[in-house]
Amino acid sequence: KAGVTQTPRYLIKTRGQQVTLSCSPISGHRSVSWYQQTPGQGLQFLFEYFSETQRNKGNFPGRFSGRQFSNSRSEMNVSTLELGDSALYLCASGTVETQYFGPGTRLLVL
Amino acid sequence: AQSVTQLGSHVSVSEGALVLLRCNYSSSVPPYLFWYVQYPNQGLQLLLKYTSAATLVKGINGFEAEFKKSETSFHLTKPSAHMSDAAEYFCAVSGNTPLVFGKGTRLSVIA
Repeated sequence: KAGVTQTPRYLIKTRGQQVTLSCSPISGHRSVSWYQQTPGQGLQFLFEYFSETQRNKGNFPGRFSGRQFSNSRSEMNVSTLELGDSALYLCASGTVETQYFGPGTRLLVL
Repeated sequence: AQSVTQLGSHVSVSEGALVLLRCNYSSSVPPYLFWYVQYPNQGLQLLLKYTSAATLVKGINGFEAEFKKSETSFHLTKPSAHMSDAAEYFCAVSGNTPLVFGKGTRLSVIA
């Protein structure tokens, strides 16, 4: 079975721009979660989608949004990028008992 | 609310020595507990998990962890460290909620 895939793997943006990251879960998984990883804050939960509905949301500003499509693929969008948004964004699929992570998208905001 | 504390942001061991990475958790509901490993420029790989079955959990690459409810701990061990074990290790807790991670412990293995 193919694992969780994320595209692109690397991105460079400038402040004020917006960015869209994509995640394809493991086949058959209906839940997709997103996490942000930074050296200062560690791993923080962004949001979770299940069957196209947002089920949980972390403590991030409204600039961070996401959605899930009928094929379970998910996208997250960050508008009006700030320097502090530079991070590794990880996507995971699975159940509450087991989450499988993708390789991440590394975003650098200049 | 749930939280995880990993004692020691950096642990160094000699090759062949015991690896012990400490994790304490706090959870208001029966927890699920996990250890993940992250190699440079990669995502998180699940090492092992506790989901209320056996308290001693065996994972991949020779790692194991023991759930101790009385101590609210879930420490990760490996009898003999290998150079390839050098990575960052994250303990995480969930209980019908999203994963809450510890700050991570970087393991260095010295030849």
